[in-house]
Amino acid sequence: QSALTQPASVSGSPGQSITISCTGTGSDVGAYNYVSWYQQHPGKAPQVVIYDVSNRPSGISSRFSGSKSGNTASLIISGLQAEDEADYYCSSYTKSRLYVFGAGTRVTVL
Amino acid sequence: QVQLQESGPGLVKPSETLSLTCTVSGGSINNYYWTWIRQPVGKGLEWLGRVHSSGFTNYNPSLGSRLTMSLDTSEKQFSLKLTSVTAADTAVYYCVRGNNWSDYFDSWGQGTLVTVSS
Repeated sequence: QSALTQPASVSGSPGQSITISCTGTGSDVGAYNYVSWYQQHPGKAPQVVIYDVSNRPSGISSRFSGSKSGNTASLIISGLQAEDEADYYCSSYTKSRLYVFGAGTRVTVL
Repeated sequence: QVQLQESGPGLVKPSETLSLTCTVSGGSINNYYWTWIRQPVGKGLEWLGRVHSSGFTNYNPSLGSRLTMSLDTSEKQFSLKLTSVTAADTAVYYCVRGNNWSDYFDSWGQGTLVTVSS
């Protein structure tokens, strides 16, 4: 099972919106609405920010949103803040009953 | 609020077996998928496998037959055993709970660094 494809880095100024893409195949991202996104600050464990493509867990800012079209999912962070600077990973359940992650995207707040 | 805590040796010799345990507190161990995910330092996340409280398991095929997971409901613990380790198995290992309504990981341990070296 190949990893999902994410851009290595995305940057934006405070207050701007950024989008992180996550491209898979018809056997993972395209097969189910089970795409989730995880934020990881340095030295910390990841935490979920979006699940089931577009749902936010309680306690996660409404500035985080998600969408999917075909085999590509996207995480949108609006009103970018300094605290959003972190690594972001997408994940998908697959037809093989496994989970696959993207390689991660480093978000930099300029 | 469920909490997960990994425990086990931080150093394992090549060709030996890596064994880790995760203790669950603040919540039930029943009716959930319990997962191990690892992250080589400075790299991305890799899903290793999962065990359900029913005993069902499934593993990442990239690990071949090296990986075994088990669960002890009475101790509220689940474990990982990875045999014939090499330097490529050096990573931070996270124990993680799978959400029981959908397919995502809703609670993570703090992670434990395991180094494979002689």
